[in-house]
Amino acid sequence: KAGVTQTPRYLIKTRGQQVTLSCSPISGHRSVSWYQQTPGQGLQFLFEYFSETQRNKGNFPGRFSGRQFSNSRSEMNVSTLELGDSALYLCASSFNGLEETQYFGPGTRLLVL
Amino acid sequence: AQKVTQAQTEISVVEKEDVTLDCVYETRDTTYYLFWYKQPPSGELVFLIRRNSFDEQNEISGRYSWNFQKSTSSFNFTITASQVVDSAVYFCALSEYSNSGYALNFGKGTSLLVTP
Repeated sequence: KAGVTQTPRYLIKTRGQQVTLSCSPISGHRSVSWYQQTPGQGLQFLFEYFSETQRNKGNFPGRFSGRQFSNSRSEMNVSTLELGDSALYLCASSFNGLEETQYFGPGTRLLVL
Repeated sequence: AQKVTQAQTEISVVEKEDVTLDCVYETRDTTYYLFWYKQPPSGELVFLIRRNSFDEQNEISGRYSWNFQKSTSSFNFTITASQVVDSAVYFCALSEYSNSGYALNFGKGTSLLVTP
């Protein structure tokens, strides 16, 4: 069974731009969650989607948004990028939600200049 | 407030030593889930263990063991006879119900370096 895949793996953007990251979950998994990892703040929960609905959201500004498609693939969007958005963005999937074991993708490393 | 505290930021041991990684959590829920993940230098998080709040049995898996104590809100992880390949960042995480679904909160991680 293929694991969680994320594209692109690396991205360089400049301040003010927007970015869209993509995540394909393990086949059959309906829950997709996103995390931001930085050296200072560690791993922080962004949001979780299940059956195309956002079920929970972490403490991030509205510039961070996401969506999930009917095939469970998910995208995350960050608008008006700031230098502090430079991070590793991780996506994870599971069958039913965050009470289950999460299977993580390799991440997208975003650098904002 | 930090829901998951991993007080040890970095630990360095020599191969074959035993090492314990501490994790203390905070929750008001009676139903919750605890996890340990390993993040090797490659960056991808690897699942190690999941525990629900009703199962306080300690678990051993090869050189790995976990001690879950609800009385002290701790879920500690011990590696016996450490090996160089154990070098990684280890994260403890808590899943609890919040708003309309579960949320997963990670500790800051403990970076373990095992030297030959």
